[in-house]
Amino acid sequence: AQKITQTQPGMFVQEKEAVTLDCTYDTSDPSYGLFWYKQPSSGEMIFLIYQGSYDQQNATEGRYSLNFQKARKSANLVISASQLGDSAMYFCAMRGVNNNNDMRFGAGTRLTVKP
Amino acid sequence: DTGVSQNPRHKITKRGQNVTFRCDPISEHNRLYWYRQTLGQGPEFLTYFQNEAQLEKSRLLSDRFSAERPKGSFSTLEIQRTEQGDSAMYLCASSRLAGADTQYFGPGTRLTVL
Repeated sequence: AQKITQTQPGMFVQEKEAVTLDCTYDTSDPSYGLFWYKQPSSGEMIFLIYQGSYDQQNATEGRYSLNFQKARKSANLVISASQLGDSAMYFCAMRGVNNNNDMRFGAGTRLTVKP
Repeated sequence: DTGVSQNPRHKITKRGQNVTFRCDPISEHNRLYWYRQTLGQGPEFLTYFQNEAQLEKSRLLSDRFSAERPKGSFSTLEIQRTEQGDSAMYLCASSRLAGADTQYFGPGTRLTVL
């Protein structure tokens, strides 16, 4: 079974500072993908970043980076230089190679960027 | 590419009525997924298609729910005899069967059952 855990229901960060959103996972799949999505109040899920379980380097996409620690089964999202528009729900998700249809999501973290 | 689109964006219905939602995926994406999201939760997988074939259905998809993708392009999700517990956001996503197979989501249809 696959499980995603996001332990921070809400986080606050000052504009222009960096913030880390936590995500831990559990899976028996030998190969899997980890994803982060942003969901603003409008409701649309916006893809941010992807990390493959066999990728040697941590993924980066602009101001987003993924701190992937495979042994600890964690895939934390780091947002650098926070902007007011970053205020949203953030979801961590995982899909195993043997379950490529079933992507499991965490409960999400609500990030609020303060001016 | 234009993004995934969903219609309607909002639907209010009375208990017992049938509703149908439509999803248009990103063109040339051969996989299409339906999810349901309730308040304060992450999306939950309902079903997915590869081209026109419905390959998996979650146990969440009761017999009142049916999904189709007749020509492998757009998809519809129908809920018959709606119940108040069906009130949720229904999200559609599509992906291309390659690489990370990243799913791209539409804006969702928010269903309210009175």
